[in-house]
Amino acid sequence: QKEVEQDPGPLSVPEGAIVSLNCTYSNSAFQYFMWYRQYSRKGPELLMYTYSSGNKEDGRFTAQVDKSSKYISLFIRDSQPSDSATYLCAIRTNAGKSTFGDGTTLTVKP
Amino acid sequence: GAVVSQHPSRVICKSGTSVKIECRSLDFQATTMFWYRQFPKQSLMLMATSNEGSKATYEQGVEKDKFLINHASLTLSTLTVTSAHPEDSSFYICSAVTSGTAEKLFFGSGTQLSVL
Repeated sequence: QKEVEQDPGPLSVPEGAIVSLNCTYSNSAFQYFMWYRQYSRKGPELLMYTYSSGNKEDGRFTAQVDKSSKYISLFIRDSQPSDSATYLCAIRTNAGKSTFGDGTTLTVKP
Repeated sequence: GAVVSQHPSRVICKSGTSVKIECRSLDFQATTMFWYRQFPKQSLMLMATSNEGSKATYEQGVEKDKFLINHASLTLSTLTVTSAHPEDSSFYICSAVTSGTAEKLFFGSGTQLSVL
């Protein structure tokens, strides 16, 4: 079993839709939770960073963490074609090494 | 967010030659940097952890003599692919960790290596 499992996708939604991206993890020692966006042939870009259960909002993006269920989500409101990319969840312990999900490819159609 | 610069963005080389990729943290000091390899439509595969002033820690299955990592300063780590072969062709990405109470991981823009 992988330490981090990410819903594989791909996802295709119309412009304006709400998108939900999800990951589960198995190691309760994980303390830091991140979401990255990666465009084709580019390095991942940090979107959201959190370390506590609950919701964290930044513009159209909301990161949700449920430590009791070992479940994290990223919600994108009013999705735009420019949001089309691969989204990676990443989870880290205090030791510093991050574990990544396999990514979910999102396409937002105009 | 913090800026990590990776260079070159694309390199084409002949089989048997060596290629050096640089990763720089531009606006912060990074005692730890990571090197990844990524194949098309796949996630990041961690190759090694680069620590300033000490030897890199390689993941299982990664040849340390083939992928030489040097982290000589707090802002620069290099990955040298020695005696490159076509099977080394891939997208290589570095990342650097900021220090402080909220450590965050920032990535370079990646290097597409094509070995002919």
